[in-house]
Amino acid sequence: QQPVQSPQAVILREGEDAVINCSSSKALYSVHWYRQKHGEAPVFLMILLKGGEQKGHEKISASFNEKKQQSSLYLTASQLSYSGTYFCGTEIYRGSTLGRLYFGRGTQLTVWP
Amino acid sequence: DAEITQSPRHKITETGRQVTLACHQTWNHNNMFWYRQDLGHGLRLIHYSYGVQDTNKGEVSDGYSVSRSNTEDLPLTLESAASSQTSVYFCASSDREAPLNTEAFFGQGTRLTVV
Repeated sequence: QQPVQSPQAVILREGEDAVINCSSSKALYSVHWYRQKHGEAPVFLMILLKGGEQKGHEKISASFNEKKQQSSLYLTASQLSYSGTYFCGTEIYRGSTLGRLYFGRGTQLTVWP
Repeated sequence: DAEITQSPRHKITETGRQVTLACHQTWNHNNMFWYRQDLGHGLRLIHYSYGVQDTNKGEVSDGYSVSRSNTEDLPLTLESAASSQTSVYFCASSDREAPLNTEAFFGQGTRLTVV
C-alpha cells in the first residue's frame, strides 16, 4: 500500500520549478506532503483532502486527482532552502484507520545557487 | 509550547538485547505512530495507537512491541535486537479529533545501531 513517488531525485538551479508526483493503487481520503532535511525530522507542508480542501505553504502548492489517486507537489521559483527529501503520505479512510499514513520512498531535491 | 520528544537520540546495543525507545508528546494527541527510516525505503510504519490501551500492528511490526498506558507516551520495545533493526526510528503524533487535518508531528528521531 506504499505510494509510488517520482522522480527519485531532482537537481535544480535556484529559481527553477519542480514537480514531484505521488500515486497510489488504493482509494485515498487524503494526501500529505512532508519535507525532511538531512538529520532532521520530517516537517509537514500541506494536506490535500478528498473533496478538494487544500492547504498551501509559501510558493509550494499541490494538486490531488481523486479519480487517478494521484497527487503532485509544485515547487515554484525554488530557493536553496527547498533542498531536502520530500515524502508523500497517503491516508486511506476506513473509519478506524483515520490518521494512519503510508509514506512513499521520497524524492531528494537539491537546489544549487 | 507543545512538543514531541524521543529518547535516547542515539543508541548502540548488542544483538539479542531488549531495547526500549521512548516517545513523549505534550500535544494531547490521541494518535501516535512509530516509523523506521532506512535508505531507499522511506518511512515504514511499525506500530500505532489511537488512544490509551489501543495498539495496532503496522507494515513492519515483527520483533517490535508497544504499549499505551497514558495519552502522552508510546514506548517502542525491541524484544531481542537484531542487526536488521539498525535504523533511524521516528515517533509521530496527530489529532484524531480534527478529521479534516490529521497533520503528523514528528520527533527528532532515534538512531539505533545493533552490533
